[in-house]
Amino acid sequence: SQWGEENLQALSIQEGEDVTMNCSYKTYTTVVHWYRQDSGRGPALIILIRSNEREKRSGRLRATLDTSSQSSSLSITAAQCEDTAVYFCATDANTGKLTFGDGTVLTVKP
Amino acid sequence: GGIITQTPKFLIGQEGQKLTLKCQQNFNHDTMYWYRQDSGKGLRLIYYSITENDLQKGDLSEGYDASREKKSSFSLTVTSAQKNEMAVFLCASSFDWGGYEQYFGPGTRLTVL
Repeated sequence: SQWGEENLQALSIQEGEDVTMNCSYKTYTTVVHWYRQDSGRGPALIILIRSNEREKRSGRLRATLDTSSQSSSLSITAAQCEDTAVYFCATDANTGKLTFGDGTVLTVKP
Repeated sequence: GGIITQTPKFLIGQEGQKLTLKCQQNFNHDTMYWYRQDSGKGLRLIYYSITENDLQKGDLSEGYDASREKKSSFSLTVTSAQKNEMAVFLCASSFDWGGYEQYFGPGTRLTVL
């Protein structure tokens, strides 16, 4: 990956299952962005978690951030077919620049 | 709401050719970005512009020029297209720099013959 050991992987799960995607980073960050990218489209932000937050929820999504271990996770509860996409995390050190990992390809099967 | 428009959607050029990609946003955002996405990879920052008269190099600026013509538009020029830079180029904008959501366009797919 570009900046760390985001766990580049392809995940395939059944509809209704829970899934967690992880990423770790090496440089200081004030914010971790999680984006999803559907085929043929640009990424779209799904959740943003700041360094003073340990957990952030949005519907079926839950993001965590552990600044001491420099890692973040994104969990999807009861995944649905429409959750099939590529998920990226990106770090933001408040410099105006995002540094993206390589992404996790998630396939949710009916 | 707003939208980011990138033109063209597909760009085919010859090796060594100078090629320009265009981006327009109607969010009235101050900050705009150009990223390159290679197949199966994450995004790498080429250039960004914090405000209308600003231009900053990203991690992958060699071989590219950029121009912020006005607040709503940001162009990227591939100065001499190479076959190893076939990729999707994504434009994004954000309200301000640092800690804000970035909104992305649909991308321009570059093919170099």
